[in-house]
Amino acid sequence: KQEVTQIPAALSVPEGENLVLNCSFTDSAIYNLQWFRQDPGKGLTSLLLIQSSQREQTSGRLNASLDKSSGRSTLYIAASQPGDSATYLCAVYPSNTGKLIFGQGTTLQVKP
Amino acid sequence: GAGVSQTPSNKVTEKGKYVELRCDPISGHTALYWYRQSLGQGPEFLIYFQGTGAADDSGLPNDRFFAVRPEGSVSTLKIQRTERGDSAVYLCASSGGTAYNEQFFGPGTRLTVL
Repeated sequence: KQEVTQIPAALSVPEGENLVLNCSFTDSAIYNLQWFRQDPGKGLTSLLLIQSSQREQTSGRLNASLDKSSGRSTLYIAASQPGDSATYLCAVYPSNTGKLIFGQGTTLQVKP
Repeated sequence: GAGVSQTPSNKVTEKGKYVELRCDPISGHTALYWYRQSLGQGPEFLIYFQGTGAADDSGLPNDRFFAVRPEGSVSTLKIQRTERGDSAVYLCASSGGTAYNEQFFGPGTRLTVL
């Protein structure tokens, strides 16, 4: 059974710091991996989707990497800003259709 | 609109009542998903539709939960005899517009059972 774990559960950093959020999964046979952002009381906003054949994706100050063999993904946020404060969720696609399996999320607070 | 929409945004009901939650997917998306998110947790899968049929309903917690998608577009999640433990945010997503079947989420319906 696929399980997704995110560490740490919560993180507080000063503005301007570079940071890394971690995601691990127990079954390396995944199709894609996706990182989402969730603001309090809101739905999920897609940040980056990494296909199983890729090793990383970049969008602005965000960079996500994927190492299927070790069952790990990281989300790197450069030069963090208070507006980055949110919960970040990692999810894997066990196949090209069907359900996503989510981690519990990392709640990030960036202090001005 | 261009995104997934869900109604109502909030629903408060009493224990034992029946509720319906609605999801309007992105136009043209053939796949539709329901998830449930409890406070402090990641979303958990409930059911997945491909067209009008339920392709995977393994996440429905019990027979009080039922979902339909009669015309392959709008979907309704139905909960009978609601219990306090059903309180959560119910999220809907759709996919089919990209080669990777990326899922796009709606804003969710917050259900509170008193």
